[in-house]
Amino acid sequence: AQSVTQPDIHITVSEGASLELRCNYSYGATPYLFWYVQSPGQGLQLLLKYFSGDTLVQGIKGFEAEFKRSQSSFNLRKPSVHWSDAAEYFCAVKYGNEKLTFGTGTRLTIIP
Amino acid sequence: GAVVSQHPSWVICKSGTSVKIECRSLDFQATTMFWYRQFPKQSLMLMATSNEGSKATYEQGVEKDKFLINHASLTLSTLTVTSAHPEDSSFYICSARDGLVDIAGFGPGTRLTVT
Repeated sequence: AQSVTQPDIHITVSEGASLELRCNYSYGATPYLFWYVQSPGQGLQLLLKYFSGDTLVQGIKGFEAEFKRSQSSFNLRKPSVHWSDAAEYFCAVKYGNEKLTFGTGTRLTIIP
Repeated sequence: GAVVSQHPSWVICKSGTSVKIECRSLDFQATTMFWYRQFPKQSLMLMATSNEGSKATYEQGVEKDKFLINHASLTLSTLTVTSAHPEDSSFYICSARDGLVDIAGFGPGTRLTVT
């Protein structure tokens, strides 16, 4: 069965610092990969997605993610975080027509 | 584009009553809608998948008689929590899809509290 792992439950970074959130997936084939952000009490907003092609994907709000097949990873990055980036981030995977499976999430805290 | 709405955004009900949550795709036709449940500080767990005009497919462990899903049109799906109990208190989120692969969007969620 497909699964996705987000090793970091909680990350704290200073405003203006760079950010990388980790995501690893299991299962043999290359999945469709997504990153979502959820503010407290809100639904999910799609940041970016990877289906095929260029392994470096640009998303909204200055985020990007890189698909690395050799490491089964799809880490999310941002060069300089803003206080408004504080939220919960979910990586998700999908194979073909199967259901979307979410990671356990990483809570991002921004300190001044 | 790909805007999904939910109503209500929060609801409080007494134990034993039923509550209905609506999910609407506002600017596209959703052939498939998904209902998720999210407990505090946890991830989203898929409850069921509904296709317009057909019965919903429930995930293992989800009681179909308790969580009634109706996808009557290409823009509306409803989740009815029947005979609600405090353990049903949760954050319910819907998602709508208009294609085979792309996940179109997520609703803002509905906070259900059963007293």
